[in-house]
Amino acid sequence: RKEVEQDPGPFNVPEGATVAFNCTYSNSASQSFFWYRQDCRKEPKLLMSVYSSGNEDGRFTAQLNRASQYISLLIRDSKLSDSATYLCVVTQYSSASKIIFGSGTRLSIRP
Amino acid sequence: DVKVTQSSRYLVKRTGEKVFLECVQDMDHENMFWYRQDPGLGLRLIYFSYDVKMKEKGDIPEGYSVSREKKERFSLILESASTNQTSMYLCASSPPSGIYNEQFFGPGTRLTVL
Repeated sequence: RKEVEQDPGPFNVPEGATVAFNCTYSNSASQSFFWYRQDCRKEPKLLMSVYSSGNEDGRFTAQLNRASQYISLLIRDSKLSDSATYLCVVTQYSSASKIIFGSGTRLSIRP
Repeated sequence: DVKVTQSSRYLVKRTGEKVFLECVQDMDHENMFWYRQDPGLGLRLIYFSYDVKMKEKGDIPEGYSVSREKKERFSLILESASTNQTSMYLCASSPPSGIYNEQFFGPGTRLTVL
């Protein structure tokens, strides 16, 4: 079983829709969590960190469920520019060798 | 504006060649990382460095070595390139470790080994 698992997609949704995807992790000692965005043929860039209390940044909401060991990303009112691959990242405290990237979920927004 | 640069966007080498991939960051970050990214496998950590002349193995160090002689520069070395090292290589840097440590990535080097 992979340490971090994501549904690869692709998720193909119309503009304006709400879309959500999850990422599960296997190590309960995992400490910090992130969503990165990667556009086609570009480098990953941090989208948002994920806090225990959940956090929101405009149309994006990230949640952490430690009991079930998953994080989620919700995108409301999706835009064409949201089309990208979303990478889930899980790290363990102060140990860079335990940074684990999921293989990504591909999202495609259609007009 | 923060910047991580990599020496080449595309590289084609032959089996057995020694390959150097260079990465430079201008943010005075202590931590630097080398990853490879393959379809379906995500990013996998090869090596990282938390200070000049310091290095730690990541998840897949076999066939690779690294060098960090200066804080801003982190080099990945393929001693004898093989076809299974054909991949996208991404360098990243981050400030000193903490719980919330954003990584800044370079644009990547697509390496093809023939």
